[in-house]
Amino acid sequence: AQSVTQPDIHITVSEGASLELRCNYSYGATPYLFWYVQSPGQGLQLLLKYFSGDTLVQGIKGFEAEFKRSQSSFNLRKPSVHWSDAAEYFCAHNFGNEKLTFGTGTRLTIIP
Amino acid sequence: DTEVTQTPKHLVMGMTNKKSLKCEQHMGHRAMYWYKQKAKKPPELMFVYSYEKLSINESVPSRFSPECPNSSLLNLHLHALQPEDSALYLCASSQDRGRAYGYTFGSGTRLTVV
Repeated sequence: AQSVTQPDIHITVSEGASLELRCNYSYGATPYLFWYVQSPGQGLQLLLKYFSGDTLVQGIKGFEAEFKRSQSSFNLRKPSVHWSDAAEYFCAHNFGNEKLTFGTGTRLTIIP
Repeated sequence: DTEVTQTPKHLVMGMTNKKSLKCEQHMGHRAMYWYKQKAKKPPELMFVYSYEKLSINESVPSRFSPECPNSSLLNLHLHALQPEDSALYLCASSQDRGRAYGYTFGSGTRLTVV
């Protein structure tokens, strides 16, 4: 079945360190992929999206993601995290059925 | 205005009550969505409205009744809910129903059924 997988349930990084959150997809054609962030008790905010063109996508808040077809991945990166980046991060896809469906999420904890 | 506004932010209701959740956007978006999110889980799609018409119902129980009175407003009417329906209910909108459009989410209504 078409899906996205986030293999890491919880990641802890030090403030100022680099970050990479993993997202893998299973789909034959080019998927429409998104990254969202959710702070505790809040709604979701779109960080970035990819569906064609340049495989390195820049988003808000200093985040970027790279689409790698050979690895079926769309990993989210940030060179230096801030304490305010602590949140739940969801990779999401729209595989052509016009329904945005989310991965299981990765909880990011930042330590001083 | 680039926001989706949901009211109320918190709601506690009994199993025999009738209540409604409200969602409003003024971005000119033509597609609107209801999602349900249980604790520590991803959001799950409930309903999709496109051009004020219901286009997707993800087999949601009839105790949840959506309504789209106009292109800016989306309601979710609740009746005879169960405690397991307690969750964060998120509304979202997108420019259109196509695949390429990112969704703008509201901050949600935290519903507790007692």
